[in-house]
Amino acid sequence: DTAVSQTPKYLVTQMGNDKSIKCEQNLGHDTMYWYKQDSKKFLKIMFSYNNKELIINETVPNRFSPKSPDKAHLNLHINSLELGDSAVYFCASSRPNSPLHFGNGTRLTVT
Amino acid sequence: TQLLEQSPQFLSIQEGENLTVYCNSSSVFSSLQWYRQEPGEGPVLLVTVVTGGEVKKLKRLTFQFGDARKDSSLHITAAQTGDTGLYLCAAQNTGTASKLTFGTGTRLQVTL
Repeated sequence: DTAVSQTPKYLVTQMGNDKSIKCEQNLGHDTMYWYKQDSKKFLKIMFSYNNKELIINETVPNRFSPKSPDKAHLNLHINSLELGDSAVYFCASSRPNSPLHFGNGTRLTVT
Repeated sequence: TQLLEQSPQFLSIQEGENLTVYCNSSSVFSSLQWYRQEPGEGPVLLVTVVTGGEVKKLKRLTFQFGDARKDSSLHITAAQTGDTGLYLCAAQNTGTASKLTFGTGTRLQVTL
């Protein structure tokens, strides 16, 4: 199936730990994103990569580090997790100036 | 940072009723998209509007882009339980090609 897939779907971890979320798209898109959706369902962009190059970094703490090994993958690594990092993280991809295709999200719970 | 306000925030209606969701901003956009998100899933695109005053129909859903390209509305006729979900507008500005800003969302619940 053509899609944006992200793993894991659920992630429960303790404060201070380091964790990663992986994302892959097989749609042939050049641009990939990470969005954070808070408890009020507000979706906010965190990062955008175009062909492995970072083009948007929206005032995200440097504990969050995206990595794009190739244009089909964009992973998100989070160091020293905090309670406030609890949210649903969505990966997405798109062609230039085109709508986004989203993954099904990773629900991160920091305890 | 531009802000896209959606209203209402929550809407609970019965099957067969009509409803309208609004998306407003003080900024002008090059295009505006509407997405629907169901629990446990990512948002899925419904429509893109580009031209001021544009109206697009998707079965029972009618989307309109304001003449000044600052606002949009989504009208659902004869709502069905399958319309339940979170509706999100999202706007893109020229020159910020990779940055899509999402609205505050409208949660719609349609019951029998």
